[in-house]
Amino acid sequence: DQQVKQNSPSLSVQEGRISILNCDYTNSMFDYFLWYKKYPAEGPTFLISISSIKDKNEDGRFTVFLNKSAKHLSLHIVPSQPGDSAVYFCAASASGQDSNYQLIWGAGTKLIIKP
Amino acid sequence: ETGVTQTPRHLVMGMTNKKSLKCEQHLGHNAMYWYKQSAKKPLELMFVYNFKEQTENNSVPSRFSPECPNSSHLFLHLHTLQPEDSALYLCASSQGPAATISYEQYFGPGTRLTVT
Repeated sequence: DQQVKQNSPSLSVQEGRISILNCDYTNSMFDYFLWYKKYPAEGPTFLISISSIKDKNEDGRFTVFLNKSAKHLSLHIVPSQPGDSAVYFCAASASGQDSNYQLIWGAGTKLIIKP
Repeated sequence: ETGVTQTPRHLVMGMTNKKSLKCEQHLGHNAMYWYKQSAKKPLELMFVYNFKEQTENNSVPSRFSPECPNSSHLFLHLHTLQPEDSALYLCASSQGPAATISYEQYFGPGTRLTVT
């Protein structure tokens, strides 16, 4: 059973508009969440993260929102640009002795920005 | 070279072959990882090494054999693979146990493996 779920395999957004990518998790022990971006033929690259002590983290055009009660996080990209077209992965981790720095990953959402 | 590098980028092998994937990180990190990515599935963690010691083996079949000779290099030795092992194999590194907050992992470009 997947602990991190990205229910939208793909999303198409007009250039200049807001892109919202969603991620749900089931493990209440997760306390750190990350978004990665992946272009074809490249490895994932880190985009933005958020700790469970916050509900929002912003970095330029990218903002991540965390709703712990709903076990839901979202990534907002505004304004969307053609270079944002990629697959976006949500990942989560639980701190503590046994976490071993393991990230639990979602299946990814392919974002397509239309000109 | 900077970041995390992987060789080869593409590999086609028969089920009876033996081959190795190589990963090198130039970031001074202490933890290294092997992941498998199949199409439209989450990344699957295979192995974790912290300070050259294997700390995780996520029930990976023995036809995959990791080796970590030092904290900068990681190998994945492959033998008698099956067609379902065809996937993108990604190597990553992170600061590891010394970092208390950062869980960021830095990935290489991956090796696209096809087993025929």
